[in-house]
Amino acid sequence: GAGVSQSPSNKVTEKGKDVELRCDPISGHTALYWYRQSLGQGLEFLIYFQGNSAPDKSGLPSDRFSAERTGGSVSTLTIQRTQQEDSAVYLCASSRTGGNYGYTFGSGTRLTVV
Amino acid sequence: GESVGLHLPTLSVQEGDNSIINCAYSNSASDYFIWYKQESGKGPQFIIDIRSNMDKRQGQRVTVLLNKTVKHLSLQIAATQPGDSAVYFCAEDHGGSYIPTFGRGTSLIVHP
Repeated sequence: GAGVSQSPSNKVTEKGKDVELRCDPISGHTALYWYRQSLGQGLEFLIYFQGNSAPDKSGLPSDRFSAERTGGSVSTLTIQRTQQEDSAVYLCASSRTGGNYGYTFGSGTRLTVV
Repeated sequence: GESVGLHLPTLSVQEGDNSIINCAYSNSASDYFIWYKQESGKGPQFIIDIRSNMDKRQGQRVTVLLNKTVKHLSLQIAATQPGDSAVYFCAEDHGGSYIPTFGRGTSLIVHP
């Protein structure tokens, strides 16, 4: 597509429920990133996919967080047993090769855990 | 510039003035730097980038300056407009990591 697409744009969930956030990167971009942005804060790195390589999961805050990328394209970030501190905007970005060519962000999913 | 405080640093300017937003980075191995603009409710939007083999790069109304000696990056916006009001983030890419690290951002407020 023309840009990075994320869905849903907003998600309200009850504490303890699981949620899935979707990212559709720019066609042909081999690198895909998930970041989290809490209110008034910078972007916190979560996970990085590059082609068929094993993802870099070093930013995932707990084992409740996981992500997959199917067919080198669409990615899903899953948060199990959501907690209130998970409330944030989850941003996805893609890049042509993952090597210093700029990163295009989606508009994010605003997650609110009540 | 960047701050470790609870609130975003804020820069207020008058329409038509030039704006300078500063950013300090910590990793001397960083070799690629990017400025992003984020408007309310939207994802970060790429503005301009610079590699470590340069100390200045110009775009449309924007200039990025890189001082590797003091690990400092700045974004200059000429003739600032109300539409420039947003939060501006700098990001650094550590050599070989391909995972950009973002600062907390600076809020730019442009008064008509």
